[in-house]
Amino acid sequence: DTGVSQDPRHKITKRGQNVTFRCDPISEHNRLYWYRQTLGQGPEFLTYFQNEAQLEKSRLLSDRFSAERPKGSFSTLEIQRTEQGDSAMYLCASSRGGGRETQYFGPGTRLLVL
Amino acid sequence: GESVGLHLPTLSVQEGDNSIINCAYSNSASDYFIWYKQESGKGPQFIIDIRSNMDKRQGQRVTVLLNKTVKHLSLQIAATQPGDSAVYFCAEAGSGAGSYQLTFGKGTKLSVIP
Repeated sequence: DTGVSQDPRHKITKRGQNVTFRCDPISEHNRLYWYRQTLGQGPEFLTYFQNEAQLEKSRLLSDRFSAERPKGSFSTLEIQRTEQGDSAMYLCASSRGGGRETQYFGPGTRLLVL
Repeated sequence: GESVGLHLPTLSVQEGDNSIINCAYSNSASDYFIWYKQESGKGPQFIIDIRSNMDKRQGQRVTVLLNKTVKHLSLQIAATQPGDSAVYFCAEAGSGAGSYQLTFGKGTKLSVIP
């Protein structure tokens, strides 16, 4: 158990709907990351936060995606107007924040867009 | 662009034998590498990491070797057990200043034959 929790674990939605995922990092971890993983592939970086500041965003993060970490603790990832291509596992990770270091992953939220 | 990849997509070993999983990376400026284990339906689990100022690092039943000359990384698992069956990913931490994203390879599926 890495201590990172994600909710929900599974989400089925219809194309065009909005979805929101939540991530609770390990306590006192300053950095929080979002990744996306499709079947048979390794995770792909989406974005990361240092406390409440969003410092890096991937080109994968289209304008339909938005992430927040308002109080520097939990984070939410929202996808608007979902498309079938958004179907994937969305992974959250956290780290202490002291340079390049181990990122601990949560169990992920599996999204299926019909 | 820079990439991290794996030589073999699948590996089958007998229980009790040693396993070696290989990984090639292309970014010569990479300075931090991590091996993760991912079981079906779960998030990646940290196994071991190594920084570029080291050639070898040992953990419990696992050893990571780094050859910077040929940009090659390997994970050795001693006395492989059925519980080691999973997909293994190597990941590279971004080498740019202030960049902390991980770049993952496609993964190697390890199957342990009882």
